[in-house]
Amino acid sequence: ELKVEQNPLFLSMQEGKNYTIYCNYSTTSDRLYWYRQDPGKSLESLFVLLSNGAVKQEGRLMASLDTKARLSTLHITAAVHDLSATYFCAVDIKQGGKLIFGQGTELSVKP
Amino acid sequence: GAGVSQTPSNKVTEKGKYVELRCDPISGHTALYWYRQSLGQGPEFLIYFQGTGAADDSGLPNDRFFAVRPEGSVSTLKIQRTERGDSAVYLCASSLIGQAYSPLHFGNGTRLTVT
Repeated sequence: ELKVEQNPLFLSMQEGKNYTIYCNYSTTSDRLYWYRQDPGKSLESLFVLLSNGAVKQEGRLMASLDTKARLSTLHITAAVHDLSATYFCAVDIKQGGKLIFGQGTELSVKP
Repeated sequence: GAGVSQTPSNKVTEKGKYVELRCDPISGHTALYWYRQSLGQGPEFLIYFQGTGAADDSGLPNDRFFAVRPEGSVSTLKIQRTERGDSAVYLCASSLIGQAYSPLHFGNGTRLTVT
């Protein structure tokens, strides 16, 4: 059974600090997505990672993919309150047809 | 341009009733997806359409759930004999599948509550 596991599931951090969210998955895939979800809202696409070694950065967020280790990371640099949200990774197992999501990491950035 | 539109935004129904949830994808997007999200969980895949046909319906939990996309645009998710366990947020997404590696664009969802 395919599993996508994120850790931590809850993360409380202070503004200005750095942290990394991990996403492990149990099947072969070379396509991984990161989404953000604010409370009561839908999912917003952050990154699409398409190959081994892919790294993408947007503002204070940087995502990477290691397909051999079946691991993706989302690194937060110098966190600010506006980054408070739930972050999901999702693995594409059918090349565009079906995403399997992790449980989500609820991030709270406190002043 | 307009994003993925879902109606209604909220639906409360009694156990045993029939409900229909509607999704209007981004214009020109050929692929349409339905997901279900329970509180505190990640979205769970239900069904995927490529054009008018269901390319993968392996996520539909049982035969009470059915979805259609008759003209390759708007889709309706239909749930018969609703149960309290069906309560969740139903998310629709679309993508431009012809464009390689296109992310899914999600709507705001329909929150279904079965009482």
